[in-house]
Amino acid sequence: DGGITQSPKYLFRKEGQNVTLSCEQNLNHDAMYWYRQDPGQGLRLIYYSQIVNDFQKGDIAEGYSVSREKKESFPLTVTSAQKNPTAFYLCASSPGQGFGYTFGSGTRLTVV
Amino acid sequence: EDQVTQSPEALRLQEGESSSLNCSYTVSGLRGLFWYRQDPGKGPEFLFTLYSAGEEKEKERLKATLTKKESFLHITAPKPEDSATYLCAVDPRNSGYALNFGKGTSLLVTP
Repeated sequence: DGGITQSPKYLFRKEGQNVTLSCEQNLNHDAMYWYRQDPGQGLRLIYYSQIVNDFQKGDIAEGYSVSREKKESFPLTVTSAQKNPTAFYLCASSPGQGFGYTFGSGTRLTVV
Repeated sequence: EDQVTQSPEALRLQEGESSSLNCSYTVSGLRGLFWYRQDPGKGPEFLFTLYSAGEEKEKERLKATLTKKESFLHITAPKPEDSATYLCAVDPRNSGYALNFGKGTSLLVTP
Protein backbone atom coordinates (compact mmCIF):
# COMPACT_ATOMS: atom_id res chain seq x y z
CA ASP A 1 0.00 0.00 0.00
CA GLY A 2 1.18 3.51 -0.77
CA GLY A 3 1.89 5.74 2.17
CA ILE A 4 4.30 7.84 4.14
CA THR A 5 6.39 6.38 6.96
CA GLN A 6 7.97 8.27 9.82
CA SER A 7 10.47 6.77 12.22
CA PRO A 8 11.06 6.45 15.02
CA LYS A 9 7.69 6.93 16.71
CA TYR A 10 9.40 8.14 19.91
CA LEU A 11 12.81 9.80 20.19
CA PHE A 12 14.74 11.12 23.16
CA ARG A 13 17.45 13.73 22.81
CA LYS A 14 20.10 14.73 25.28
CA GLU A 15 21.23 18.32 25.62
CA GLY A 16 23.71 19.30 22.90
CA GLN A 17 22.87 16.33 20.70
CA ASN A 18 21.74 16.32 17.06
CA VAL A 19 19.02 13.86 16.12
CA THR A 20 17.55 12.91 12.74
CA LEU A 21 13.91 12.07 12.05
CA SER A 22 13.20 9.86 9.07
CA CYS A 23 10.41 10.39 6.52
CA GLU A 24 9.90 8.08 3.53
CA GLN A 25 7.04 8.06 1.00
CA ASN A 26 6.15 5.67 -1.83
CA LEU A 27 3.34 7.80 -3.28
CA ASN A 28 5.53 9.28 -6.02
CA HIS A 29 4.72 12.76 -4.66
CA ASP A 30 6.97 15.63 -5.67
CA ALA A 31 6.44 17.83 -2.62
CA MET A 32 7.30 17.00 0.99
CA TYR A 33 6.90 18.99 4.18
CA TRP A 34 7.88 19.02 7.85
CA TYR A 35 5.59 20.49 10.49
CA ARG A 36 5.93 20.87 14.22
CA GLN A 37 2.85 20.53 16.43
CA ASP A 38 2.71 21.89 19.97
CA PRO A 39 -0.37 21.95 22.23
CA GLY A 40 -2.49 25.00 21.47
CA GLN A 41 -0.19 26.11 18.63
CA GLY A 42 -1.46 24.21 15.64
CA LEU A 43 0.87 23.00 12.89
CA ARG A 44 3.85 25.20 12.11
CA LEU A 45 5.90 24.75 8.95
CA ILE A 46 9.61 23.98 9.41
CA TYR A 47 10.84 23.16 5.88
CA TYR A 48 9.38 22.09 2.58
CA SER A 49 10.70 20.69 -0.67
CA GLN A 50 8.99 20.80 -4.04
CA ILE A 51 11.62 18.84 -5.94
CA VAL A 52 14.72 16.73 -5.39
CA ASN A 53 17.83 18.67 -4.33
CA ASP A 54 15.81 21.78 -3.50
CA PHE A 55 14.14 22.90 -0.27
CA GLN A 56 12.94 26.11 1.37
CA LYS A 57 12.68 27.36 4.94
CA GLY A 58 9.29 27.58 6.55
CA ASP A 59 8.18 29.79 9.41
CA ILE A 60 10.30 28.17 12.14
CA ALA A 61 13.41 26.76 10.40
CA GLU A 62 15.98 27.95 12.94
CA GLY A 63 17.74 25.02 14.63
CA TYR A 64 16.62 22.53 11.98
CA SER A 65 18.14 21.21 8.75
CA VAL A 66 16.89 18.97 5.94
CA SER A 67 18.07 17.23 2.79
CA ARG A 68 16.26 15.94 -0.29
CA GLU A 69 18.64 13.66 -2.15
CA LYS A 70 15.90 11.26 -3.27
CA LYS A 71 12.29 11.85 -4.22
CA GLU A 72 11.15 9.34 -1.61
CA SER A 73 13.07 10.68 1.37
CA PHE A 74 13.06 13.96 3.33
CA PRO A 75 14.92 13.56 6.66
CA LEU A 76 14.83 16.28 9.30
CA THR A 77 17.75 16.94 11.64
CA VAL A 78 17.06 18.70 14.91
CA THR A 79 20.33 20.36 15.85
CA SER A 80 21.63 21.42 19.24
CA ALA A 81 20.83 25.01 18.20
CA GLN A 82 17.11 24.25 18.59
CA LYS A 83 16.59 25.22 22.21
CA ASN A 84 13.06 23.89 22.65
CA PRO A 85 12.78 20.77 20.49
CA THR A 86 10.24 18.84 22.54
CA ALA A 87 7.24 18.50 20.23
CA PHE A 88 5.31 16.22 17.88
CA TYR A 89 6.83 16.27 14.38
CA LEU A 90 4.75 15.53 11.30
CA CYS A 91 5.98 14.81 7.80
CA ALA A 92 3.63 15.14 4.83
CA SER A 93 3.72 14.77 1.07
CA SER A 94 1.63 16.13 -1.79
CA PRO A 95 1.38 15.67 -5.56
CA GLY A 96 1.57 19.47 -5.91
CA GLN A 97 -0.21 22.77 -5.38
CA GLY A 98 -3.96 22.58 -5.00
CA PHE A 99 -3.83 19.09 -3.61
CA GLY A 100 -4.00 18.11 0.02
CA TYR A 101 -1.39 16.33 2.03
CA THR A 102 -0.89 12.76 3.09
CA PHE A 103 0.60 12.73 6.58
CA GLY A 104 2.85 10.29 8.34
CA SER A 105 2.04 9.01 11.81
CA GLY A 106 4.43 11.44 13.51
CA THR A 107 7.51 11.35 15.73
CA ARG A 108 7.35 12.55 19.32
CA LEU A 109 10.68 14.07 20.33
CA THR A 110 11.49 14.64 23.99
CA VAL A 111 14.55 16.30 25.51
CA VAL A 112 15.94 14.41 28.50
CA GLU B 1 -1.23 38.09 5.94
CA ASP B 2 -3.04 34.81 5.35
CA GLN B 3 -4.92 33.60 8.43
CA VAL B 4 -7.02 30.61 9.38
CA THR B 5 -9.13 30.70 12.56
CA GLN B 6 -11.10 27.77 13.89
CA SER B 7 -13.86 27.93 16.45
CA PRO B 8 -14.70 26.80 18.98
CA GLU B 9 -11.37 25.58 20.37
CA ALA B 10 -13.16 22.74 22.14
CA LEU B 11 -16.64 21.30 21.87
CA ARG B 12 -18.39 18.71 23.99
CA LEU B 13 -21.51 17.04 22.59
CA GLN B 14 -23.88 14.35 23.74
CA GLU B 15 -24.21 11.41 21.39
CA GLY B 16 -26.80 12.33 18.76
CA GLU B 17 -26.49 16.10 19.38
CA SER B 18 -25.72 17.72 16.01
CA SER B 19 -23.46 20.77 15.73
CA SER B 20 -21.07 22.66 13.46
CA LEU B 21 -17.40 23.58 13.55
CA ASN B 22 -16.27 26.83 11.94
CA CYS B 23 -13.16 27.70 9.92
CA SER B 24 -12.83 31.33 8.87
CA TYR B 25 -10.03 32.39 6.58
CA THR B 26 -8.45 35.48 5.06
CA VAL B 27 -6.30 34.76 2.02
CA SER B 28 -5.54 36.74 -1.10
CA GLY B 29 -6.83 33.91 -3.24
CA LEU B 30 -8.02 30.42 -2.36
CA ARG B 31 -6.73 27.44 -4.27
CA GLY B 32 -8.43 24.99 -1.93
CA LEU B 33 -9.64 24.38 1.64
CA PHE B 34 -9.01 21.10 3.40
CA TRP B 35 -10.47 19.38 6.45
CA TYR B 36 -8.53 16.77 8.42
CA ARG B 37 -9.29 14.60 11.43
CA GLN B 38 -6.53 13.94 13.96
CA ASP B 39 -6.66 11.34 16.72
CA PRO B 40 -4.34 11.73 19.75
CA GLY B 41 -0.74 10.79 18.98
CA LYS B 42 -1.44 10.20 15.28
CA GLY B 43 -1.02 12.08 12.04
CA PRO B 44 -3.96 13.98 10.52
CA GLU B 45 -6.25 12.01 8.23
CA PHE B 46 -7.74 13.66 5.15
CA LEU B 47 -11.50 14.25 5.13
CA PHE B 48 -12.52 16.77 2.45
CA THR B 49 -11.29 19.24 -0.14
CA LEU B 50 -13.40 22.24 -1.17
CA TYR B 51 -12.40 24.49 -4.05
CA SER B 52 -15.13 27.06 -4.62
CA ALA B 53 -17.86 28.90 -2.72
CA GLY B 54 -21.11 26.94 -2.61
CA GLU B 55 -19.39 23.58 -2.80
CA GLU B 56 -20.45 20.84 -0.37
CA LYS B 57 -18.96 17.42 0.41
CA GLU B 58 -20.41 14.64 2.59
CA LYS B 59 -19.05 11.54 4.24
CA GLU B 60 -21.13 9.53 6.69
CA ARG B 61 -22.13 11.93 9.51
CA LEU B 62 -19.89 14.77 8.26
CA LYS B 63 -20.72 17.50 5.77
CA ALA B 64 -18.37 20.30 4.77
CA THR B 65 -19.50 23.55 3.17
CA LEU B 66 -17.62 26.57 1.83
CA THR B 67 -18.36 30.27 1.43
CA LYS B 68 -16.01 33.06 0.36
CA LYS B 69 -14.93 33.69 3.95
CA GLU B 70 -15.51 30.51 5.92
CA SER B 71 -16.13 26.80 5.93
CA PHE B 72 -18.33 24.73 8.20
CA LEU B 73 -17.98 21.11 9.19
CA HIS B 74 -21.44 19.90 10.17
CA ILE B 75 -21.66 16.81 12.34
CA THR B 76 -25.04 15.10 12.31
CA ALA B 77 -26.01 12.75 15.16
CA PRO B 78 -22.40 12.26 16.29
CA LYS B 79 -21.14 9.09 17.94
CA PRO B 80 -18.34 8.73 20.52
CA GLU B 81 -15.99 7.51 17.77
CA ASP B 82 -16.25 10.94 16.15
CA SER B 83 -14.25 12.34 19.06
CA ALA B 84 -11.03 13.83 17.65
CA THR B 85 -9.39 17.12 16.75
CA TYR B 86 -10.59 18.54 13.44
CA LEU B 87 -8.12 20.67 11.50
CA CYS B 88 -8.85 23.13 8.73
CA ALA B 89 -6.18 24.24 6.23
CA VAL B 90 -6.13 26.60 3.28
CA ASP B 91 -3.96 26.59 0.18
CA PRO B 92 -3.43 30.27 -0.66
CA ARG B 93 -3.19 30.95 -4.37
CA ASN B 94 -0.90 33.95 -4.22
CA SER B 95 1.56 33.23 -1.45
CA GLY B 96 3.76 30.29 -0.64
CA TYR B 97 3.62 26.65 -1.49
CA ALA B 98 2.42 25.13 1.77
CA LEU B 99 -0.93 24.83 3.52
CA ASN B 100 -1.82 27.22 6.35
CA PHE B 101 -3.43 25.34 9.23
CA GLY B 102 -5.84 26.51 11.88
CA LYS B 103 -5.26 25.45 15.48
CA GLY B 104 -8.06 22.93 15.36
CA THR B 105 -11.27 22.14 17.23
CA SER B 106 -11.13 19.39 19.82
CA LEU B 107 -14.41 17.48 19.74
CA LEU B 108 -15.56 15.16 22.53
CA VAL B 109 -18.74 13.15 22.05
CA THR B 110 -20.05 11.48 25.20
CA PRO B 111 -22.45 8.51 25.31
